[in-house]
Amino acid sequence: GNSVTQMEGPVTLSEEAFLTINCTYTATGYPSLFWYVQYPGEGLQLLLKATKADDKGSNKGFEATYRKETTSFHLEKGSVQVSDSAVYFCALSEGTNAGKSTFGDGTTLTVKP
Amino acid sequence: NAGVTQTPKFQVLKTGQSMTLQCAQDMNHNSMYWYRQDPGMGLRLIYYSASEGTTDKGEVPNGYNVSRLNKREFSLRLESAAPSQTSVYFCASSERVGRADQPQHFGDGTRLSIL
Repeated sequence: GNSVTQMEGPVTLSEEAFLTINCTYTATGYPSLFWYVQYPGEGLQLLLKATKADDKGSNKGFEATYRKETTSFHLEKGSVQVSDSAVYFCALSEGTNAGKSTFGDGTTLTVKP
Repeated sequence: NAGVTQTPKFQVLKTGQSMTLQCAQDMNHNSMYWYRQDPGMGLRLIYYSASEGTTDKGEVPNGYNVSRLNKREFSLRLESAAPSQTSVYFCASSERVGRADQPQHFGDGTRLSIL
């Protein structure tokens, strides 16, 4: 079956530091890949996505590239802000299976001023 | 734009009580989902509905029932609440089956404590 493995947290960074959160996946077909962000007390919201190999998703300074050869979709940001403190989830979805997604366990990011 | 609306936001129950969590979406999505989120365990799928009139079990369905009332609404019922069901419950929706490129849209959750 499908699975998503995320870098374990929590991750604590100083403001303006470089961020990488690793994500690798196992899938039977050709999935779409997503990063979601969850702020305290809220639900998950889409941060970015990529639907095929070598696609780069980007939003709010975050980027991730769909690497089929390494089955990875690592999240990066060049300079984090305190407002980026949240839980980040990597996920995949295939066209079959009722559109269900498979989620990683989440990585908690804390950015200190 | 309301998106996915969940009620209530908070609830405290006693063991053995029953309750229904409500979810409604206004995006004309076909598929809807119920998850629970527990510390260190990520999101676990309880039930889902691929389209109006259909429901299927997810990873952790025991102790829960669901009803897809119409295209907009998908409710989750706890018949006899147990302390192990203390969790944060999220409802989500997505456009339709077969669209892997479409993300899920989440409500803000219901925080449920069972004493």
